[in-house]
Amino acid sequence: EIVLTQSPDFQSVTPKEKVTIICRASQSIGSSLHWYQQKPDQSPNLLIQYASQSLSGVPSRFSGSGYGTDFTLTINSLEAEDAATYYCHQSSIFPYTFGQGTKLEIK
Amino acid sequence: QVQLVQSGAEVKKPGASVKVSCKASHYTFTSYGISWVRQAPGQGLEWMGWITPYNENTHYALKFQGRVTMTTDTSTSTAYMELRSLRSDDTAVYYCARDYTLDYWGQGTLVTVSS
Repeated sequence: EIVLTQSPDFQSVTPKEKVTIICRASQSIGSSLHWYQQKPDQSPNLLIQYASQSLSGVPSRFSGSGYGTDFTLTINSLEAEDAATYYCHQSSIFPYTFGQGTKLEIK
Repeated sequence: QVQLVQSGAEVKKPGASVKVSCKASHYTFTSYGISWVRQAPGQGLEWMGWITPYNENTHYALKFQGRVTMTTDTSTSTAYMELRSLRSDDTAVYYCARDYTLDYWGQGTLVTVSS
């Protein structure tokens, strides 16, 4: 199965800072990589689909890039409400898989 | 708007089975697959499997094969996930989510396995 490895596992950041989260796949998955935000006691929320496609209703400070095995989620000018855990997920090859998550703490 | 509404919390004893439902509305149910995802307390998201409603084609994660069955009822636009031979480490919130991108999620169903 495809293993997705996120880095870092945890990051403590200040508001207005730029944050970069990396997701690396154990084999090429093309652009079939999606990003989610999950806040405590809530269902995950899709932020970016197919590596770089933005979604209606998602703030423009969230962006994604990458192809193949290396992907990046960028949050420009972090806001307090962005405190959450972020996951990547691949839907290229069954069994689909998730990264282990990156927890963002706002200082 | 698209909604996925799941059944309520369950408490089961070890060795029992649980069947969680996920009722879809406001979209054509047969046009999108459904994934099931679980999250143990304090842990990350774990993909369990996928079902295509129009033909009930399924794909399961290796660790659940033989213990999980995913089905759909197109007459009620409902997906089901049954997990058998429950163990304490199956205690988790179980989610259904739509399509390859998991663009819509159910509210989650807490399944507690305890003697």
